[in-house]
Amino acid sequence: DGGITQSPKYLFRKEGQNVTLSCEQNLNHDAMYWYRQDPGQGLRLIYYSQIVNDFQKGDIAEGYSVSREKKESFPLTVTSAQKNPTAFYLCASATGAANYGYTFGSGTRLTVV
Amino acid sequence: DAKTTQPNSMESNEEEPVHLPCNHSTISGTDYIHWYRQLPSQGPEYVIHGLTSNVNNRMASLAIAEDRKSSTLILHRATLRDAAVYYCILRDSYNTDKLIFGTGTRLQVFP
Repeated sequence: DGGITQSPKYLFRKEGQNVTLSCEQNLNHDAMYWYRQDPGQGLRLIYYSQIVNDFQKGDIAEGYSVSREKKESFPLTVTSAQKNPTAFYLCASATGAANYGYTFGSGTRLTVV
Repeated sequence: DAKTTQPNSMESNEEEPVHLPCNHSTISGTDYIHWYRQLPSQGPEYVIHGLTSNVNNRMASLAIAEDRKSSTLILHRATLRDAAVYYCILRDSYNTDKLIFGTGTRLQVFP
């Protein structure tokens, strides 16, 4: 079955460390997205990519970095520059057409310890 | 980006119909109306979308006002599993780069 996989499900990070969250899809979708969700809040866009080797900043890109070397993969690195990284991170993929929906992964919960 | 407005929360009893409203007064002619729902600690799940005409699928129905400035997601018979946060979002067919999520409507379903 096609889908989108995020790993790990839970991640703990020490202060000052960089961590990378994985997102893989086998839906042959061109576009991929990273969102952040804080408790009781909606989703906020971090980065998105419409094609391989290209990506754009979303609304809250500071302290994050991404790469898109393969169509199937869009990893997110949370750097030490992100001052408040504890959150629920969601990856999504989509075709480029507005009349199709996004497919979301099950999320990674990152906690700074 | 065109914005949507939804009530913060709604309640329903099991087996009753639920009408979740969404206002999008600044919608453009090329914006599709999408609905997603999110269960606790899970990623959002696509529910339904439409452009101008009302739409039905196995999960729900979408009623779109004639002027497209509002829409209503209809769950015909609420179940306990429908308790979730429901997001109404506009997706521009000419700028399909991103979905902008609001805070959505938290639906509680009582047995």
